[in-house]
Amino acid sequence: GAVVSQHPSWVICKSGTSVKIECRSLDFQATTMFWYRQFPKQSLMLMATSNEGSKATYEQGVEKDKFLINHASLTLSTLTVTSAHPEDSSFYICSAPSGVHNEQFFGPGTRLTVL
Amino acid sequence: GQNIDQPTEMTATEGAIVQINCTYQTSGFNGLFWYQQHAGEAPTFLSYNVLDGLEEKGRFSSFLSRSKGYSYLLLKELQMKDSASYLCAVMDSNYQLIWGAGTKLIIKP
Repeated sequence: GAVVSQHPSWVICKSGTSVKIECRSLDFQATTMFWYRQFPKQSLMLMATSNEGSKATYEQGVEKDKFLINHASLTLSTLTVTSAHPEDSSFYICSAPSGVHNEQFFGPGTRLTVL
Repeated sequence: GQNIDQPTEMTATEGAIVQINCTYQTSGFNGLFWYQQHAGEAPTFLSYNVLDGLEEKGRFSSFLSRSKGYSYLLLKELQMKDSASYLCAVMDSNYQLIWGAGTKLIIKP
């Protein structure tokens, strides 16, 4: 199956700093990638759809100025959490569609802890 | 609105069979997916159904009835490693994935 990587796997930062998370499709090209957030014991929440070469589409309630998304190439999307606060601590997961049924292949996730 | 319902939690015994149900109401339908998510990890793809009927893949099978807006994931010969959350997701007419909240499956020896 298709492989999606994420970096870093985990990050701890101070409140007020910015954190960049990278999502890469390793063996396929992805014009679209998705960013999710998952709080402990809760379901996946779609944050935004990242589109190569154009602006991301954000879900209702997600601040686009706080969660900056850049999809600069067909294999890389980045999510920057700006001025992070403790309430932003969560598990951030990206995915990209591939395969016969356009099923989503997920990256391993990035666990963000903001102190 | 769009809605996907699945039980919050289920418990089963090692070696047994368990069926996890999913009902959906979406604007259009372009397929239903099942994913497995172990605690602290990202989801992994299990199955896809777009036509009515049963799709079998080893110990796991998935069933779909479009007229009833209903699917189930059937897990046979349960193993302890099957303890995980199982997520049902439907692709709507805009090819957007609508996710269920997931069913946490607990396997007891």
